Amino acid sequence: AQKITQTQPGMFVQEKEAVTLDCTYDTSDPSYGLFWYKQPSSGEMIFLIYQGSYDQQNATEGRYSLNFQKARKSANLVISASQLGDSAMYFCAMREGDSSASKIIFGSGTRLSIRP
Amino acid sequence: ETGVTQTPRHLVMGMTNKKSLKCEQHLGHNAMYWYKQSAKKPLELMFVYNFKEQTENNSVPSRFSPECPNSSHLFLHLHTLQPEDSALYLCASSQAAGQGAGEQFFGPGTRLTVL
Repeated sequence: AQKITQTQPGMFVQEKEAVTLDCTYDTSDPSYGLFWYKQPSSGEMIFLIYQGSYDQQNATEGRYSLNFQKARKSANLVISASQLGDSAMYFCAMREGDSSASKIIFGSGTRLSIRP
Repeated sequence: ETGVTQTPRHLVMGMTNKKSLKCEQHLGHNAMYWYKQSAKKPLELMFVYNFKEQTENNSVPSRFSPECPNSSHLFLHLHTLQPEDSALYLCASSQAAGQGAGEQFFGPGTRLTVL
């Protein structure tokens, strides 16, 4: 069974609009971490934001915020005021357990395209 | 140099060749990773090294041989590869267990083509 599910293979959004990228996860471990990465066409994976399973508040980093709904096992990424440079692949990922050297499982990704 | 670097950025090799991919991190991390990213597939973890010790081998064929001489360097030795091994190979590093959230920092990748 897939542990990380991203149901949107591709999305088109008008510049300056907000966009939500969906991610659901599956784990029975009470301690886990959720990550979002951006991969531009250059190939490098860029870390965006992290949410721990015990964190009480939703994580925010600049224009990025993570809508963490633990009961629903969802960790959607919200990008406010989208920019042309936001066009890229976006990957949701999960680390099970509390060891920061544990493996991270990635979803299949969402390709986001920002229209001018 | 800062962050995670990988060389070469592009590599074309025949099935009988032997080559090596190199990864170096300048972040003071103690865990390093190799991933394979094929077209239309999720990122696949290959190997994990923690304090130079291999802690994960995700059923990777023996034609891929990792080496971690120290916490800053990671190699992936390649021999007798198959065309289906053509992919983007990404290296990453993170802090050691118990330190930080465990976010991994990635290098730019090596685009490998096997003819």
